Amino acid sequence: EPEVTQTPSHQVTQMGQEVILRCVPISNHLYFYWYRQILGQKVEFLVSFYNNEISEKSEIFDDQFSVERPDGSNFTLKIRSTKLEDSAMYFCASSEYQGTEAFFGQGTRLTVV
Amino acid sequence: QKEVEQDPGPLSVPEGAIVSLNCTYSNSAFQYFMWYRQYSRKGPELLMYTYSSGNKEDGRFTAQVDKSSKYISLFIRDSQPSDSATYLCAMSPTNTNAGKSTFGDGTTLTVKP
Repeated sequence: EPEVTQTPSHQVTQMGQEVILRCVPISNHLYFYWYRQILGQKVEFLVSFYNNEISEKSEIFDDQFSVERPDGSNFTLKIRSTKLEDSAMYFCASSEYQGTEAFFGQGTRLTVV
Repeated sequence: QKEVEQDPGPLSVPEGAIVSLNCTYSNSAFQYFMWYRQYSRKGPELLMYTYSSGNKEDGRFTAQVDKSSKYISLFIRDSQPSDSATYLCAMSPTNTNAGKSTFGDGTTLTVKP
């Protein structure tokens, strides 16, 4: 069964460092998303991406964040200068069409120390 | 008022019980309604997806939507210990992609053997 894969599963980084979280969406999907979930809190939408550009983003997704589809298969989330409060699970998701359900990856646990 | 309110739980039931999980919402623009199951430190897994009022059944799971009351429910029949997880309701508006979903806080369910 096709699935969204994310790497690494756990990333520890020092405050102020840049991190790149990687995702491989389901191959025939056209829409890609990043969500985060701070420990014990709700899943929060960060950004959606379609046709090589951001289609929507939340207030959380400020200038410290960027997304990229560097090739035909990967979808990345970059945090330029990490803060302690960026510590969370980051989930990538993809959907086939606009208005269809999104399938989530297993997540990357980011710990900023 | 939160856009999506979910019964907080936690909920503990004996094996075989019928479970009812509930969410209310305030944004009448929401048209797509989803239920996800999330095991500890894993990504949300889509269980049910519907965009119309009424009931949708899939095996032991039934999703119910009442748009007039802005109320959705997930029923689990003959609950099993393997159903123990956190259940998340999520919803999104028409004309935007369902990946940009607003999630409830989640209800943690424990099914005791």
